[in-house]
Amino acid sequence: QVHLVESGGGVVQPGRSLGLSCAASGFDFGIYAMHWVRQAPGKGLEWVALMSYNGGVKNYADSVKGRFTISRDNSKNTLYLQMNSLRPEDTAVYYCAKDDLNHGLGTNSWFDSWGQGTLVTVSS
Amino acid sequence: SYVLTQPPSVSVAPGQTATITCAGNNIGSYSVHWYQQKPGQAPVLVVSDDTDRPAGIPERFSGSNSGTTATLTISRVEAGDEADYYCQVWDSSNDHYVFGSGTKVTAL
Repeated sequence: QVHLVESGGGVVQPGRSLGLSCAASGFDFGIYAMHWVRQAPGKGLEWVALMSYNGGVKNYADSVKGRFTISRDNSKNTLYLQMNSLRPEDTAVYYCAKDDLNHGLGTNSWFDSWGQGTLVTVSS
Repeated sequence: SYVLTQPPSVSVAPGQTATITCAGNNIGSYSVHWYQQKPGQAPVLVVSDDTDRPAGIPERFSGSNSGTTATLTISRVEAGDEADYYCQVWDSSNDHYVFGSGTKVTAL
């Protein structure tokens, strides 16, 4: 059974940095693209970033491009999101989500499993 | 960028059918996926590729997609179906994933 556990959330001041992790288990992590999706309080879902199964493809939402960096360590079954220059509008629950397609580049797919999320609050 | 439009809310009596729409320019040429999110919980995939149900999703959930509108239909609505529902596509113009604004389903 797929299990995704996010960690690293917390309260951070505007302009500072924060790193998130997503520990995966129950599936062959190294052959699936992975994503980060966020949800601001009381708002809808917003896709943030993707990384292909082998790390060769990365893509970011325009709202975070240049500030956030997605990475993965397939030997540790872990996905990461480094968030720099944080803004109040980055306040959200951040979910990691598994792509449905094995050996996928993270394109034209969907999210078949989600973690429970970690809350990031950007406030002075 | 591609925009998906959903009605903010849908109300339906238990036992009746809920229809949730997701409108987009020529959405019929996209693969549409649907997620259910209950309060305080992570989203759950309920329909993929327009019409496919993942294992464990009741047959009461079905999807369709044509022209400018994709639809998620929940037959014989139960109190446990109360949730927010989001449609999602992949936008090939920029390789970005797009979600609809979400529809809150209430069983009256």
